[in-house]
Formats: sequence, C-alpha cells, structure tokens
Amino acid sequence: GAVVSQHPSWVICKSGTSVKIECRSLDFQATTMFWYRQFPKQSLMLMATSNEGSKATYEQGVEKDKFLINHASLTLSTLTVTSAHPEDSSFYICSAAIGGPGNEQFFGPGTRLTVL
Amino acid sequence: KNQVEQSPQSLIILEGKNCTLQCNYTVSPFSNLRWYKQDTGRGPVSLTIMTFSENTKSNGRYTATLDADTKQSSLHITASQLSDSASYICVVSGVVGFQKLVFGTGTRLLVSP
Repeated sequence: GAVVSQHPSWVICKSGTSVKIECRSLDFQATTMFWYRQFPKQSLMLMATSNEGSKATYEQGVEKDKFLINHASLTLSTLTVTSAHPEDSSFYICSAAIGGPGNEQFFGPGTRLTVL
Repeated sequence: KNQVEQSPQSLIILEGKNCTLQCNYTVSPFSNLRWYKQDTGRGPVSLTIMTFSENTKSNGRYTATLDADTKQSSLHITASQLSDSASYICVVSGVVGFQKLVFGTGTRLLVSP
C-alpha cells in the first residue's frame, strides 16, 4: 500500500512553454501533498505544501506564479511549471501524507524535467 | 539553524562487505529520524524510522542506530549487494509527525562486484 505515482516520468520542453506534472496517491487519500525539487548531487528541497481544496503554501524563494500547484482532489495534485527556462531543469518529486500533514510522507518516483 | 549532515559523501565497497553511514543533526526540537534509499532517477524509499526513545531499528540487512543525546545516527548495511548501490538520505523531522522534513545531502554508495 501507500503508493504514489507521478506522470510523466520525464519531459523535455522548449524554453517558454509550460509543463504540467501530476502526482497521484493510488491506494489512499492524501489530504496533504508536498512538492520537492532536487538538483544533481543535492538533497531534496521543499517547494510547497499542498492541501486538498485550498491554496498551496510555498517555501521562501519559490515563485508561486511560476510554479502553479493545484490539489483538486484527495488523490491528485498537479505542479505546472509556467514559462519554463533552462534553469528550471531539475528532478521534481512529490510526496503524499496519509490523513494530514503530520503523518508519514510517501514519495513518488519523480519527474525529470529538461528545458532546452 | 536546522541541519542534517551526512558522511561520507560517497563510498565504494566490494560486494559482500559491510559498511556504516553517518548522520549528524542539529534539528531541534526533534521528533523522528528516518533513513531513505534513493536509486538514481527515482524517489526516496523509506528504510527505517526512529523516534526519540528508540536506539536501534532493523529492516533486513539495514540497521539504523540513534543517539538522541549526541544527535547522531548511523545506518549499517550488512553483506552488501549490488542492488544496494544508491544514495542514502538521512531525514529528520523537527516537529511532531513528518511535516517539515530536514534532508541530509546523502551518501552515494557504490557496491562493486
């Protein structure tokens, strides 16, 4: 149990385009989902915390207008990278918490974004 | 400042050998400490979790220890296998539960045949 999926697993896009990444909890309802970014050989950095039905809470330094997060249901959260630039190229990982933000997080497999 | 430091940064061992990875943290107040295994291009997968009162936790060939007084943890891998090649990340939660995780930079382990 507690499986989290992400789609796509990798994406290549041109600079200036927008890319949407989906995060789904397959066998549980996730009141809270988290979005992380990981650059090569670095640790995961929390970008935002997403609660179902409400606006996401962004970490300091993360542009909310550039990284749009929608958590429309208890099993789906989406991250849209708007007007992507090469510096947005990274590994994006989501996690989902069962029952609320204070509970264990289960991580998705990640999405590799490359912006040309 | 809440930090998690891991050592070594990278490690190469021969298949079948044992190894120990270290984690020091300054996160306070402390709630729990978790070790994750992250294969290249994949999300982290939980290996062990320990709360303040736990000193050791095993998961197959993985054994984690925790000294909450010195704020140190270790992950011992026994009889390493090629599939153990991955990054091992120490993660500390500074609040009750699992939100606001503080991630270490990881130890990259390569098990060589």
